[in-house]
Amino acid sequence: KAGVTQTPRYLIKTRGQQVTLSCSPISGHRSVSWYQQTPGQGLQFLFEYFSETQRNKGNFPGRFSGRQFSNSRSEMNVSTLELGDSALYLCATSTSGPYNEQFFGPGTRLTVL
Amino acid sequence: AQKITQTQPGMFVQEKEAVTLDCTYDTSDPSYGLFWYKQPSSGEMIFLIYQGSYDQQNATEGRYSLNFQKARKSANLVISASQLGDSAMYFCAMRESMEYGNKLVFGAGTILRVKS
Repeated sequence: KAGVTQTPRYLIKTRGQQVTLSCSPISGHRSVSWYQQTPGQGLQFLFEYFSETQRNKGNFPGRFSGRQFSNSRSEMNVSTLELGDSALYLCATSTSGPYNEQFFGPGTRLTVL
Repeated sequence: AQKITQTQPGMFVQEKEAVTLDCTYDTSDPSYGLFWYKQPSSGEMIFLIYQGSYDQQNATEGRYSLNFQKARKSANLVISASQLGDSAMYFCAMRESMEYGNKLVFGAGTILRVKS
């Protein structure tokens, strides 16, 4: 069974640009969560999508958005990039069952210059 | 709000010895789940072990075991017979229920270095 894939793995952008990150879940997983990891703030929850609907949202500004497609693949978009958006962005997928173990992808490392 | 505390920023252990990574948590929810993840320098979060709040026995997965002390609100990870490949960042996390579904709340992590 293929694991969670994230593309691209590395990205360099400049301030003010926008970026789109992609996450393809494990087959059968309908829940996709996104996390931001920085040295200063650690791992923080961004949002979760389930059946093409945003189910939960963390405490991030509206510049951070996402969507989920009918095949459960999810994209995350960050507009008007700031230096502080430089981070490792991880997606995690699950079946959304009662156990709800989340399987993580390798992450996308975003650098904003 | 739920909180996870990992008080050890870094740990060293000799190869083949056992090591305990500390994790304490705070929650008012009677039903919760605790996870440990390993993050090598490549960045991927690797699931190690899970403990449910109602589980009667401590969880074990190969060389990993979880020392769960509910009354003390601690869920320490024990790695037996350490290997060089165990060198990584280790995160303790708690599943926090939300209106729909849930999310993971992570501790700050502990860097483990295994010495040969």
